[in-house]
Amino acid sequence: DGGITQSPKYLFRKEGQNVTLSCEQNLNHDAMYWYRQDPGQGLRLIYYSQIVNDFQKGDIAEGYSVSREKKESFPLTVTSAQKNPTAFYLCASKETVQQPQHFGDGTRLSIL
Amino acid sequence: QKEVEQNSGPLSVPEGAIASLNCTYSDRGSQSFFWYRQYSGKSPELIMSIYSNGDKEDGRFTAQLNKASQYVSLLIRDSQPSDSATYLCAARSTSGTYKYIFGTGTRLKVLA
Repeated sequence: DGGITQSPKYLFRKEGQNVTLSCEQNLNHDAMYWYRQDPGQGLRLIYYSQIVNDFQKGDIAEGYSVSREKKESFPLTVTSAQKNPTAFYLCASKETVQQPQHFGDGTRLSIL
Repeated sequence: QKEVEQNSGPLSVPEGAIASLNCTYSDRGSQSFFWYRQYSGKSPELIMSIYSNGDKEDGRFTAQLNKASQYVSLLIRDSQPSDSATYLCAARSTSGTYKYIFGTGTRLKVLA
């Protein structure tokens, strides 16, 4: 089945710890995205990548880092510099400029 | 700052009625618009895409676009309790061809 797989579904972070959220797609999509959603809020763009080995900061990149070493993978690291990481994190991908984004099932991150 | 605005709701409609969800956008150059449905605790799911002025129908859903008024709407005919969800409107930003701007969503409640 083609799709976008995010793991884990739930993640807990301790103070001072970096954590990495996984996003893998087998849709052969070029562009991939990371969003953060807080309760009752819309989606805010963290980072996006249009092609392998290239990525751009979104609106709230501070405290986060990404890599795009393979077309199918776009992991997001939430660093200890991100002081309020509790949120629902969504990964998305799309095929071409005009096409809509499709989302993975999300990872819910909480602080211990 | 480019924006997409939606009334947060909740919009309550009786079962079988037409639900009308509205969205305005500030980026006059936006060309592509999308409606997503998001159930509580789940990730957004694409409902409709619309790229040109006028109406686009898909089953019980009709998307309407008026670029002169910078207005997008989604009509849901014969609303069902299973349609109860938050509906997100998104526009593809002209400031970066791969960036999308999301509204905060309208919560729809269909009353049985």
